[in-house]
Amino acid sequence: QKEVEQNSGPLSVPEGAIASLNCTYSDRGSQSFFWYRQYSGKSPELIMFIYSNGDKEDGRFTAQLNKASQYVSLLIRDSQPSDSATYLCAVSRPGTASKLTFGTGTRLQVTL
Amino acid sequence: NAGVTQTPKFRILKIGQSMTLQCTQDMNHNYMYWYRQDPGMGLKLIYYSVGAGITDKGEVPNGYNVSRSTTEDFPLRLELAAPSQTSVYFCASSPPGTSGSYEQYFGPGTRLTVT
Repeated sequence: QKEVEQNSGPLSVPEGAIASLNCTYSDRGSQSFFWYRQYSGKSPELIMFIYSNGDKEDGRFTAQLNKASQYVSLLIRDSQPSDSATYLCAVSRPGTASKLTFGTGTRLQVTL
Repeated sequence: NAGVTQTPKFRILKIGQSMTLQCTQDMNHNYMYWYRQDPGMGLKLIYYSVGAGITDKGEVPNGYNVSRSTTEDFPLRLELAAPSQTSVYFCASSPPGTSGSYEQYFGPGTRLTVT
């Protein structure tokens, strides 16, 4: 079992729709969860992080965390073609120098 | 602030050659990291450092070495390059966390090809 699992996609959504990206993790000691966006040929860019169960909203992005189910998701509302990228989920546990374990990413395509 | 900078952007090495990938950050972050990213494989941690003079191995350290003489710089050394080291290399930094973990900020990457 991979430590952090994501569906590789591509996930295709029409412009203006909600994109839902999912991530599961195996380490119950994980307490910090991050979503990065990576455009082709570019470096990962932090979108959001979440530490507590529930939802965290930032503009068009909402991160959702359910530690009991070991599940974290990212919702993108009003998806735009510029949102087309690979989204990386990363998790970390305390006392590990903020080391991140990454999933392999989900490729999102927003179609016109 | 320039953030995290990496040089070179691209490099082609012959098998058996050596090189150093440079990484510098100007955010006064204590924590720094080196990752490699292979197509479809996600990012794998090579080495990390929690401060000047302190380094430790990550998930895939074989064939690499690092040093951390200053807070700002964290170079990655490849000795005796092999085709398996063809990858994109990212350096990242993070502020220290008193509890929990903090976000990492990535440099633009170095695309390395070993032939």
